[in-house]
Amino acid sequence: TQLLEQSPQFLSIQEGENLTVYCNSSSVFSSLQWYRQEPGEGPVLLVTVVTGGEVKKLKRLTFQFGDARKDSSLHITAAQPGDTGLYLCAGDPKDSNYQLIWGAGTKLIIKP
Amino acid sequence: GAGVSQTPSNKVTEKGKYVELRCDPISGHTALYWYRQSLGQGPEFLIYFQGTGAADDSGLPNDRFFAVRPEGSVSTLKIQRTERGDSAVYLCASRMPGENEQFFGPGTRLTVL
Repeated sequence: TQLLEQSPQFLSIQEGENLTVYCNSSSVFSSLQWYRQEPGEGPVLLVTVVTGGEVKKLKRLTFQFGDARKDSSLHITAAQPGDTGLYLCAGDPKDSNYQLIWGAGTKLIIKP
Repeated sequence: GAGVSQTPSNKVTEKGKYVELRCDPISGHTALYWYRQSLGQGPEFLIYFQGTGAADDSGLPNDRFFAVRPEGSVSTLKIQRTERGDSAVYLCASRMPGENEQFFGPGTRLTVL
């Protein structure tokens, strides 16, 4: 069974601090997606990483795909209250063309 | 254009009752997914449709759960003899052919008393 483990499960920090969220697996993925979900809404895609070692930036968010395509990280610089939400990673297995493997999520709270 | 819509947004029912949850995907999205999500957790896969057919229903927890998509567009998730453990947010997502991104609806919050 393929699993994606996210850590930490919960993080509460002050506005302006930096943080990193991790998504790890023993399995290889052809791509990995990061979603953000706010209360009462469905997840919304932030980024897809495809190539091992790839780094993508989205304003203050930096996403990295591990060289072996088994893990990924999300780094937020100078976090703001608007970054609060549930961050989910989802991996696309190499042998599947339709079903994503989902992590359990990291609940992030940024206090003003 | 319009996103994925789900109705109702909230459903409260009593144990043992039957419920139907509806999903309207984005037009042209042939792939449709149903997920269940508990508070603070990631989505739990239930069923995947490609067109009208259920390509993978391995996530349905038991035979009380059933889903249809008769015309390849709107889908209905049906739960018979509801139990308190069925309480969760039920999410629907749709996807364009050949693309990986799933577009989610806002979910239906089901509460079984």
